[in-house]
Amino acid sequence: GESVGLHLPTLSVQEGDNSIINCAYSNSASDYFIWYKQESGKGPQFIIDIRSNMDKRQGQRVTVLLNKTVKHLSLQIAATQPGDSAVYFCAEIMGSWGKFQFGAGTQVVVTP
Amino acid sequence: DVKVTQSSRYLVKRTGEKVFLECVQDMDHENMFWYRQDPGLGLRLIYFSYDVKMKEKGDIPEGYSVSREKKERFSLILESASTNQTSMYLCASIMTGRDSPLHFGNGTRLTVT
Repeated sequence: GESVGLHLPTLSVQEGDNSIINCAYSNSASDYFIWYKQESGKGPQFIIDIRSNMDKRQGQRVTVLLNKTVKHLSLQIAATQPGDSAVYFCAEIMGSWGKFQFGAGTQVVVTP
Repeated sequence: DVKVTQSSRYLVKRTGEKVFLECVQDMDHENMFWYRQDPGLGLRLIYFSYDVKMKEKGDIPEGYSVSREKKERFSLILESASTNQTSMYLCASIMTGRDSPLHFGNGTRLTVT
């Protein structure tokens, strides 16, 4: 989920298990959503996006689900691997391209 | 693949110094952005530019200015660095049009002492 305060929430996952990372977005008028992955010392990397006219979108080992009724976005990672350890955060965009709003992120730690 | 390059990965500056952070993108994107990233606060927009010599204030522009003299380059300037500007700075670019993700550089970690 999204953090309140200075410390990121942490999701600890065993290697091989599935991960689910959640994001509550703020604006019901937002119409485009993105998940980013940020490894330590690197910039955010695009993972997957979804438009508001969709409920689900699948990529390679990742699935994004969008529930507009409760303004909730989730990222599912199948068969989590050590390389998936990172901070994951969502972004919502309302209308024009300049209006990105980012969540604070969730730290995913993959344990052997 | 889009490449957004930030010239420095780490910088240490003293209070009161003028600091330049440089960013270059190679995809001919019209739009470029500067964010700062602090633990627990997410990304906050400092300035953005939608064309050469054009700039718009973001959510936290105080203490910063920007320069966009060429399409591929967007510079962030700290006129007089202060300790509360110690942060990770991220540059990003995006093509004009709807429903495109921002492409980020690897960030510059600035420490002001």
